[in-house]
Amino acid sequence: AQTVTQSQPEMSVQEAETVTLSCTYDTSESDYYLFWYKQPPSRQMILVIRQEAYKQQNATENRFSVNFQKAAKSFSLKISDSQLGDAAMYFCAYRFPSGTYKYIFGTGTRLKVLA
Amino acid sequence: DAGITQSPRHKVTETGTPVTLRCHQTENHRYMYWYRQDPGHGLRLIHYSYGVKDTDKGEVSDGYSVSRSKTEDFLLTLESATSSQTSVYFCAISVGENTEAFFGQGTRLTVV
Repeated sequence: AQTVTQSQPEMSVQEAETVTLSCTYDTSESDYYLFWYKQPPSRQMILVIRQEAYKQQNATENRFSVNFQKAAKSFSLKISDSQLGDAAMYFCAYRFPSGTYKYIFGTGTRLKVLA
Repeated sequence: DAGITQSPRHKVTETGTPVTLRCHQTENHRYMYWYRQDPGHGLRLIHYSYGVKDTDKGEVSDGYSVSRSKTEDFLLTLESATSSQTSVYFCAISVGENTEAFFGQGTRLTVV
């Protein structure tokens, strides 16, 4: 069965520094999608970045980038130049490639940004 | 927000009572999902739907049922609420085969 694991329940980073959040997953599929979501205290779920497994190039969105290692089934999120507004829960998610297109989420990492 | 509305946003109910949460979308997307969010567990899939009257169980479906009689509405029912069902419930939709999930605002349910 597909699973998503986030092994860091909480992380801290100094403002303007860089932090990396880890995510590993398990699947027997070769083509799938991976996502990072941000959940601020407002509870809103916000997409940060997405990665298509068939693409070798790591996705980047402004200060956010991923390190996608398909063979290792690893999908880490790097936040550069951290800002106070980056403080939130971050969830890694895997999407089934076909059929019902279900999404499976990790348990989340709470990121604290220190001024 | 992809036109997703959850109702109610907050609810307090007593143990043993039935509760129905509603998810409404405005754009007739096929795939809809119900998740619950609990500390230490992330988001866990309760039930999902891939069309009108087409639903299936997720990983934590015990004590929950769903119905989808119209494309735009996906209802989640707690048949007899228990304290372990105190949680934040999210509805989500997928707007295409190759996209991310879009979420509603969430419903905080407290069972006392």
